[in-house]
Amino acid sequence: DAGITQSPRHKVTETGTPVTLRCHQTENHRYMYWYRQDPGHGLRLIHYSYGVKDTDKGEVSDGYSVSRSKTEDFLLTLESATSSQTSVYFCAISESPGTAANEQYFGPGTRLTVT
Amino acid sequence: AQSVSQHNHHVILSEAASLELGCNYSYGGTVNLFWYVQYPGQHLQLLLKYFSGDPLVKGIKGFEAEFIKSKFSFNLRKPSVQWSDTAEYFCAVNAHNQGGKLIFGQGTELSVKP
Repeated sequence: DAGITQSPRHKVTETGTPVTLRCHQTENHRYMYWYRQDPGHGLRLIHYSYGVKDTDKGEVSDGYSVSRSKTEDFLLTLESATSSQTSVYFCAISESPGTAANEQYFGPGTRLTVT
Repeated sequence: AQSVSQHNHHVILSEAASLELGCNYSYGGTVNLFWYVQYPGQHLQLLLKYFSGDPLVKGIKGFEAEFIKSKFSFNLRKPSVQWSDTAEYFCAVNAHNQGGKLIFGQGTELSVKP
């Protein structure tokens, strides 16, 4: 398994509170991604990063922000959590998108419940 | 916008039955195609991928998929399923001009009865 950890693994929080999820990799891969997984929707891309301090939005970025100050860490922040953000969040990494090595490796996930 | 459609939401099979899961995508350019599997309580793992060359791709655990460009399809097959194949299966597409971003299908839940 690729060296990807996510913390916390489970979190329950209240509506309106800020939440930060952390993804840490030991593979030195350049690209990192945050997805959310919801029943009937598969995985949807929230934000991604193509290098330190280089990030871009995915298809469901509203209400989320990200930061990447080091190659190994990619943080996802919910500025003010809402119940619609209750989901399972997966981090993924990739070495060389667009090449034969274009494969994303996924972390174990974080289950977030917003009450 | 790109989209990926998996036609079967929940498939129930008996052990030794053959499996085919459909996946269609909407994008006219060059694509990379993937099938991922998620076993209960676990993270996604790559089953197989198509990048170029032979459109019939073989993956782990006896799975294979065929890329039919004219049909925009990448169906997953296995000749004989096992109880341990019970999982959720996701098709994903990456367009060559979209960097590494993957577009996932909705997923197909496979239940294999012993």
